[in-house]
Amino acid sequence: QVQLVQSGAEVKKPGASVKVSCKASGYSFTDYYMHWMRQAPGQGLEWMGWMNPNSGGTNYAQKFQGRVTMTRDTSISTAYMELSRLTSDDTAVYYCTRDGNMDVWGQGTTVTVSS
Amino acid sequence: DVVMTQSPLSLPVTLGQPASISCRSSQSLVYSDGNTYLNWFQQRPGQSPRRLIYKISNRDSGVPDRFSGSGSGTDFTLKISRVEAEDVGVYYCMQSTHWPPWTFGQGTKVEIK
Repeated sequence: QVQLVQSGAEVKKPGASVKVSCKASGYSFTDYYMHWMRQAPGQGLEWMGWMNPNSGGTNYAQKFQGRVTMTRDTSISTAYMELSRLTSDDTAVYYCTRDGNMDVWGQGTTVTVSS
Repeated sequence: DVVMTQSPLSLPVTLGQPASISCRSSQSLVYSDGNTYLNWFQQRPGQSPRRLIYKISNRDSGVPDRFSGSGSGTDFTLKISRVEAEDVGVYYCMQSTHWPPWTFGQGTKVEIK
């Protein structure tokens, strides 16, 4: 079945970077864009950007421009989202989701930023 | 950016009774291909979001038929005909017509009275 499996929880210090992975299975990885979302504690969903796994092209939300990098490794059907210069405001659950209509979601990766 | 506004934000419901959530967009969600890309998601406590409905009224596979979506243009509704205990969670509308960015409503928390 179609599945997205994300890497485990992370704890980071302010100013550090975090890299979250999302492994796709059950479909052709390069056929669907991969989107990244986040959800701060008790808050709603926020779109961060997308990546075209075929070309590597990206489009980032303005809020994250200069701090986020989305990449992929097609040989292992895995997408990555790296967020740099972390602050406490980046404490959230990060999700990968397939395509612009978001029909499949990863299980989420909790990123905690604390000194 | 398209702003999505949901109401109510909290919805206590008696088991077996209907529930209705409204979602309004700041501009029409009709795309140039004639489709309207308005989706509904359910997020149960501690879980990832799950898409329930796409393009206003199409239920995803495995979604019970007590869930239905309707609307057009800028006004949309998600209805649960008879609420069950497993329906507790937060429901979000999302537009994927005018992007980037993809935008969500604030979420409506459904709980049992």
